[in-house]
Amino acid sequence: GAVVSQHPSRVICKSGTSVKIECRSLDFQATTMFWYRQFPKQSLMLMATSNEGSKATYEQGVEKDKFLINHASLTLSTLTVTSAHPEDSSFYICSAHSVERGVHNEQFFGPGTRLTVL
Amino acid sequence: SQQGEEDPQALSIQEGENATMNCSYKTSINNLQWYRQNSGRGLVHLILIRSNEREKHSGRLRVTLDTSKKSSSLLITASRAADTASYFCGAGGTSYGKLTFGQGTILTVHP
Repeated sequence: GAVVSQHPSRVICKSGTSVKIECRSLDFQATTMFWYRQFPKQSLMLMATSNEGSKATYEQGVEKDKFLINHASLTLSTLTVTSAHPEDSSFYICSAHSVERGVHNEQFFGPGTRLTVL
Repeated sequence: SQQGEEDPQALSIQEGENATMNCSYKTSINNLQWYRQNSGRGLVHLILIRSNEREKHSGRLRVTLDTSKKSSSLLITASRAADTASYFCGAGGTSYGKLTFGQGTILTVHP
């Protein structure tokens, strides 16, 4: 149980295009979803916190117009990287939190999406 | 402020040995969690310790928490080559569900 999927797992795009990444909780309803960015051999950097039906809360320094987050339902959140540039190339990971499944703050992570912008 | 600083940054041991990783944090926490990440994959939750707990066990994992020193340690006993991965601690504060991760420890277990 508590499975989170991400799609796509890998995407290569041209500079200037937009890329949408989906995060789904497959067997539970996620109260909150989190989006992280990870550079090689580094830690996860929280980008934003997303609650179903409300606007995402972005961390300081993260451009909300650049990284659009939509949390349309309790099982789906999407991250759209708009007008992507090579510096946006990174590993994007989502996680889901559920009051039902998580004892306290336990998060269930998706497998990640490798974005490469040419 | 940076939460969840880990040390060592990299640890290389032989199969069968124990591996100890440490994590420090700066502000008050509700709980502290340890996660594992295999290369290029998502994180897998290992163990959660609440702020009012001092020690917790799960299989070959032992976690301690010292809130006076704002530190935690993860011990993996009788390590296996399959334990090779990056390990992160995540500090859970007052914002419900939110975690702040440290830099992680890259563990390599040689067969």
